[in-house]
Amino acid sequence: GAGVSQSPSNKVTEKGKDVELRCDPISGHTALYWYRQSLGQGLEFLIYFQGNSAPDKSGLPSDRFSAERTGGSVSTLTIQRTQQEDSAVYLCASSLGPRAGGQETQYFGPGTRLLVL
Amino acid sequence: QKEVEQNSGPLSVPEGAIASLNCTYSDRGSQSFFWYRQYSGKSPELIMFIYSNGDKEDGRFTAQLNKASQYVSLLIRDSQPSDSATYLCAVSSSGNQFYFGTGTSLTVIP
Repeated sequence: GAGVSQSPSNKVTEKGKDVELRCDPISGHTALYWYRQSLGQGLEFLIYFQGNSAPDKSGLPSDRFSAERTGGSVSTLTIQRTQQEDSAVYLCASSLGPRAGGQETQYFGPGTRLLVL
Repeated sequence: QKEVEQNSGPLSVPEGAIASLNCTYSDRGSQSFFWYRQYSGKSPELIMFIYSNGDKEDGRFTAQLNKASQYVSLLIRDSQPSDSATYLCAVSSSGNQFYFGTGTSLTVIP
């Protein structure tokens, strides 16, 4: 079946502009995650959605970052007034959701490479 | 703070050797453990997951988990140049959040 898809694959923007990044999770996956990975760095957790529950926004680095998930499927990550330090690869992942025993597997999309000039 | 630590490497092994990648974690409540492989410029791809103490084998890969020592490892037998990548360890306690290490860079020398 289809995996996690993200768009655009690459985005170049000017400092101060807003950008929207899209994620389509695997069909049937209730959990959706956004991560950021800067060059040569590990994965930085941004936000987590599970079903209709309130999202876990604890990883968002500033109030310029926001995300929503419509209909429990597609998610959009919005960065307002972009800064050069926002340049990174933004990765989306989805999973079936938490289950008893914590047995869970996450699958990643190809990422959106954001460059803020 | 929940932490996952990996030796950043780089780790170099000759082709055909065993590569051993290690990961420690701080949260004793962790229940699920994952190894991801990430090629340069690509997104992470799942290699293996392990939930129970002991060894789990899948082809040339073996994951080892020791919850008492809070330690999980990945062994790659008969290493191939195509195994050259960064290996990420991830830990989850409830399936809500996954905590990733910074990764170990592996180079397999032909």
